[in-house]
Amino acid sequence: EAGVAQSPRYKIIEKRQSVAFWCNPISGHATLYWYQQILGQGPKLLIQFQNNGVVDDSQLPKDRFSAERLKGVDSTLKIQPAKLEDSAVYLCATSNGRGPYNEQFFGPGTRLTVL
Amino acid sequence: GNSVTQMEGPVTLSEEAFLTINCTYTATGYPSLFWYVQYPGEGLQLLLKATKADDKGSNKGFEATYRKETTSFHLEKGSVQVSDSAVYFCARAFSGGYNKLIFGAGTRLAVHP
Repeated sequence: EAGVAQSPRYKIIEKRQSVAFWCNPISGHATLYWYQQILGQGPKLLIQFQNNGVVDDSQLPKDRFSAERLKGVDSTLKIQPAKLEDSAVYLCATSNGRGPYNEQFFGPGTRLTVL
Repeated sequence: GNSVTQMEGPVTLSEEAFLTINCTYTATGYPSLFWYVQYPGEGLQLLLKATKADDKGSNKGFEATYRKETTSFHLEKGSVQVSDSAVYFCARAFSGGYNKLIFGAGTRLAVHP
């Protein structure tokens, strides 16, 4: 079974520019998560989708970050405008349920550097 | 609250040494607990989990026991290999459903021959 796909793998931009990340989940996985992992820290959840609906975006900086999951499959995460402190690895994960025991499968991540 | 604290790294060991990576969590209810591993150049992957008190998760020679009395979920392995070199993350399920995970900061393990 194919894993979670993310692109691009690396991105370098200047502050105030915009950037978008893409995630393709494992087929049939209804739940999709975007995490931000700053160097030296654990992943922090930004937003969680159940199919194409948002179930948790409490830690998403909504003044600059946005995400969508059209048709309940692929998802994009956008930052506009980017700040220096947005430099991090952005991880997409998916699972086939929303209970506390369902394993989350992670993609390889997109490493963003903001100059 | 909901938080996870794990020992700082890096942890450097010789091959076949015993490994312990400490993890404690704040307790709101009885959350499921997880260890994820990130090998160099790869994404995070689930190593083991425990869903209730006194459960022992195990995989690839690693073990962790859910200790409610000490709110701990320490990761252990009796004999590490060079291939175990990775970053290990302890995580708990967020109280409130929807399978949200709260991660610790991660502990880097380096095993030398």
